[in-house]
Amino acid sequence: AQTVTQSQPEMSVQEAETVTLSCTYDTSESDYYLFWYKQPPSRQMILVIRQEAYKQQNATENRFSVNFQKAAKSFSLKISDSQLGDAAMYFCAYRSAYNNNDMRFGAGTRLTVKP
Amino acid sequence: NAGVTQTPKFRILKIGQSMTLQCTQDMNHNYMYWYRQDPGMGLKLIYYSVGAGITDKGEVPNGYNVSRSTTEDFPLRLELAAPSQTSVYFCASSYSTGVGSYEQYFGPGTRLTVT
Repeated sequence: AQTVTQSQPEMSVQEAETVTLSCTYDTSESDYYLFWYKQPPSRQMILVIRQEAYKQQNATENRFSVNFQKAAKSFSLKISDSQLGDAAMYFCAYRSAYNNNDMRFGAGTRLTVKP
Repeated sequence: NAGVTQTPKFRILKIGQSMTLQCTQDMNHNYMYWYRQDPGMGLKLIYYSVGAGITDKGEVPNGYNVSRSTTEDFPLRLELAAPSQTSVYFCASSYSTGVGSYEQYFGPGTRLTVT
């Protein structure tokens, strides 16, 4: 079974600085999708960014970008120009392209943004 | 659009009681999901449905039942509640043709405590 590991339970960043959240995953599949979700104190899960494994180009969404290293099975999230509203739990998730109903989540990283 | 709505927001159950968690989506999504999130952990899939009348087990289905009589509603039933079912429950939905990095939209969650 696929597993997703987030090795940083907590991270903190100064407002306006850059922070990188780590995620690694274990799979024997060649085609899959990767996601980063944000969960603020409201508990609402919000999609931040997604990456298709067949795409070599790293995904970017405004201040959020990923470093996708397929061979290393690594999928880190970089947040640039951090804002107070970025403070939340961040979850990395994996979904197989062969079983679209099985999304695997990491344990999460709690990000604190200091003013 | 209200998106994905869940009721109730909070509930306390005694061991052995039963209850139904309600989930409704107004986006005409064909896929719906139930997840649970234990403290300090990521989400785990309980059950999912690919359309009205079709449901299937996820990673942690024991102790739960679901039904999908309409496209909009996907209730989760807990029979004989146990302390191990204390968790936050999330309902999600998505539109899928079977392939693709489609986004799952999440409800706000239900915090359930079994004592």
